[in-house]
Amino acid sequence: DVKVTQSSRYLVKRTGEKVFLECVQDMDHENMFWYRQDPGLGLRLIYFSYDVKMKEKGDIPEGYSVSREKKERFSLILESASTNQTSMYLCASSTRGRALQETQYFGPGTRLLVL
Amino acid sequence: QKEVEQDPGPLSVPEGAIVSLNCTYSNSAFQYFMWYRQYSRKGPELLMYTYSSGNKEDGRFTAQVDKSSKYISLFIRDSQPSDSATYLCAPGGATNKLIFGTGTLLAVQP
Repeated sequence: DVKVTQSSRYLVKRTGEKVFLECVQDMDHENMFWYRQDPGLGLRLIYFSYDVKMKEKGDIPEGYSVSREKKERFSLILESASTNQTSMYLCASSTRGRALQETQYFGPGTRLLVL
Repeated sequence: QKEVEQDPGPLSVPEGAIVSLNCTYSNSAFQYFMWYRQYSRKGPELLMYTYSSGNKEDGRFTAQVDKSSKYISLFIRDSQPSDSATYLCAPGGATNKLIFGTGTLLAVQP
C-alpha cells in the first residue's frame, strides 16, 4: 500500500514564524503535491514537483516555498506565517504516467492554526 | 466562473437510498474524470475514475460523464452509513494538474 505521511497532524504557530511542513512517501513516486483545503474553496494547489530539485507553482504559491532534496520528501515552507494561512494542508504523490493526472495518494493532512 | 462547480451540500439520506452527486465543468479539454472520497480528518482517496463519456460501474458506485453537457455524476446504490464522507470530483487533462471541486458532504442516516 502507498503510504504518504505528514510530519504533524496539528500545529499552532504565531504570526511571523517560519513554518516547515514535511511530507514523505514510500512508493518511489516521481510527483509530489502540496494543497490547502478550506471550507467552500475545496482543494487548491500550492506547489508541485515532478522530480528531485524540480518545482512548479500551483494556483496559490504566494507566501509559500517548497524544497525537494530527496525523491521521497517534499517540504512546504511558510516563510512568515500569517493568519490567512490557517488551513488544512494536504500532501499527495503520484507516479509518472501519461500526465500528472495519475492517481494521487494523499497524506492525512496537517491542520495549521496561525495565531 | 470556476472551472469545476459542485454543490457543497450537506446531503442527508436514509440508509439504502440511491445517492446522486454531481459536478459541472467549463473546460471542454478535460480528459480524465475522477471521484475522490474524504472521510472526516483524513486525506482524500481515489474512489473511481473514467476517461470517456458514458458510465463506469464499480460495485455500488457508478460514475457517469456527459462531455456534451460537461456534467459529471457519481451514483451510490444501497447507500450505507459508512458512505458518509465528502465526495470531490476532479477532472483533469486540460493542464498538467487535477482541478478539484469543493466537495459534497454526504450523511447517510442509519
